Amino acid sequence: GQNIDQPTEMTATEGAIVQINCTYQTSGFNGLFWYQQHAGEAPTFLSYNVLDGLEEKGRFSSFLSRSKGYSYLLLKELQMKDSASYLCAVPYGGATNKLIFGTGTLLAVQP
Amino acid sequence: DGGITQSPKYLFRKEGQNVTLSCEQNLNHDAMYWYRQDPGQGLRLIYYSQIVNDFQKGDIAEGYSVSREKKESFPLTVTSAQKNPTAFYLCASSQIVRTRTDTQYFGPGTRLTVL
Repeated sequence: GQNIDQPTEMTATEGAIVQINCTYQTSGFNGLFWYQQHAGEAPTFLSYNVLDGLEEKGRFSSFLSRSKGYSYLLLKELQMKDSASYLCAVPYGGATNKLIFGTGTLLAVQP
Repeated sequence: DGGITQSPKYLFRKEGQNVTLSCEQNLNHDAMYWYRQDPGQGLRLIYYSQIVNDFQKGDIAEGYSVSREKKESFPLTVTSAQKNPTAFYLCASSQIVRTRTDTQYFGPGTRLTVL
């Protein structure tokens, strides 16, 4: 079956680094997405990983290990505006545009 | 500007009334999706459409209906048969690329409250 696990909440300090983990089970891997969602707003796309390894985009990086069914989002130089939920999502089994989302990790950045 | 619009942002309805949520995109995307988000839960797929005049049920389609008469538009009707309609509703769209899953882009959402 399909399943995604993320921690429910995390707290970090402004200027620090935080790693948000995501583990998944899927039949037929076809990439993994990370989205950011501020309270009451729409999710916005952060990254898409389909190959193993780390992809860096400014302060945000995303890592994937397909053999371990594991990904993480790394946020550096944390800012107060990074306080948001971070959603991990994978396509349903096979090449499909249907996504299954994790419950999201609510990150609180403190001064 | 290209994007996805949803209206209204906030919607209040009395129990037993049907209500239609609007979703329009000018990104020329083939696929459109409706999700529901409840506190402490992930996004759950209600319906999706990959081509005009065709759509498929997602995981929680009961009590909802959709239409796709135009590529740009994918309205969602919440019927009186939906037991717990109060939620945040998100519309999304994406291209369809045969070799991979393309990124979904979301509209601003409609928060529906049934009184």
